Amino acid sequence: NFMLTQPHSVSESPGKTVTISCTRNSGSIVSNYVQWYHQRPGSSPIIVIHEDNERPSGVPDRFSGSVDSSSNSASLSISGLTAEDEGDYYCQSYDSDNLWVFGGGTRLTVL
Amino acid sequence: EVQLLESGGDLAQPGGSLRLSCAASGFTFSFYAMAWVRQAPGRGLSWVATISGAGGRTHYADSVKGRFTVSRDNFDNTLYLQMDSLKVDDTAVYYCAKGVKPKVVTALAADSWGQGTLVTVSS
Repeated sequence: NFMLTQPHSVSESPGKTVTISCTRNSGSIVSNYVQWYHQRPGSSPIIVIHEDNERPSGVPDRFSGSVDSSSNSASLSISGLTAEDEGDYYCQSYDSDNLWVFGGGTRLTVL
Repeated sequence: EVQLLESGGDLAQPGGSLRLSCAASGFTFSFYAMAWVRQAPGRGLSWVATISGAGGRTHYADSVKGRFTVSRDNFDNTLYLQMDSLKVDDTAVYYCAKGVKPKVVTALAADSWGQGTLVTVSS
């Protein structure tokens, strides 16, 4: 099976834009959709992006997703950062047998 | 409004069993594949199992295959996870999650999550 690697942590100032990467170590990142989840401390995860770049209803357009075949990675960008964006972000995909794979998670700190 | 309410988490001994339940409401339960995802204390998310809307197709993580069984009752709108031969490494909060798209064979992502139920495996 493949692995999804995320940076352990990122930080940025309020109002700025941050990008979190998710790199697939084998197989093509475009083979299977990538999702992104946000988890605040003590809370359940919330989906913010599905199918690479689709925002569920209720998720602000400050959140966007993309995939890049050249780097074999997916990215989540969050613009206009606020304190409520802090927490852990997880990418997730699946393999050809429909088995899910999560990235290790990235802790976002809004300074 | 989608609601998922897990229950059944408890302290269990290594080698023991537990059965988790997830009561679903606010959507047509039988239309959606469902998933169990767990999170060990201080760790990241880890997928456990998925089940199709009708219950006929299941998938498991290698770490639980042969020990855990996912099932559902579409009359009672309830998802289950039967956990046998428990190991210390199974200690985690277990989340029930709803698949994003209706009427697909399996869940490939989850758009609603319950609050989780804590399973502790220790002697």
